[in-house]
Amino acid sequence: QQQVKQSPQSLIVQKGGISIINCAYENTAFDYFPWYQQFPGKGPALLIAIRPDVSEKKEGRFTISFNKSAKQFSLHIMDSQPGDSATYFCAASRGWETSGSRLTFGEGTQLTVNP
Amino acid sequence: KAGVTQTPRYLIKTRGQQVTLSCSPISGHRSVSWYQQTPGQGLQFLFEYFSETQRNKGNFPGRFSGRQFSNSRSEMNVSTLELGDSALYLCASSLWGLAGERNTGELFFGEGSRLTVL
Repeated sequence: QQQVKQSPQSLIVQKGGISIINCAYENTAFDYFPWYQQFPGKGPALLIAIRPDVSEKKEGRFTISFNKSAKQFSLHIMDSQPGDSATYFCAASRGWETSGSRLTFGEGTQLTVNP
Repeated sequence: KAGVTQTPRYLIKTRGQQVTLSCSPISGHRSVSWYQQTPGQGLQFLFEYFSETQRNKGNFPGRFSGRQFSNSRSEMNVSTLELGDSALYLCASSLWGLAGERNTGELFFGEGSRLTVL
């Protein structure tokens, strides 16, 4: 079954803290793992993505850690800011280059960063 | 460059009616996909079109259909609306399928069409 399970459902962090969101997948054929950020009233926007040939990818304050053997990946937001308050979705797809845009999304995490 | 444009942004229908939603992708993008977003089910893939051909279809009943035109614009239709069809319908375009482009896998989403079925 092609599921992606995401936790926690909601997360409250103080400004300057580290936000950590976890995802687990079942289908070992998945080979592309993006994270999307969604603000109220807007569509999701790609934040950062990783492929399973690396264990970590960092872009500014955002880092994806990937554990292929455990079939888990996580998003770390360092120095969290109130502007990071949004809903975050992990996702996965398999054979993206052939299967196109079919992403399987996690349930989402509503992040609130308090000032 | 203009983003993905979806119309209408909001609409209210009653059970049994049908609805058509429109999506204009980013200029130059030829792949368009549709997702349904609800609080209970999250984001679920509906279908994807490339060069006027449906490439992938999600697990939705046949009441959900779509098409793509030669200018890459896409429409989705839901017939015989049910209360459970109330959702935000998101369209996304991508560079997938374009020869020579650096396809990163990124989907560019529109702001969605919020459908309420009464």
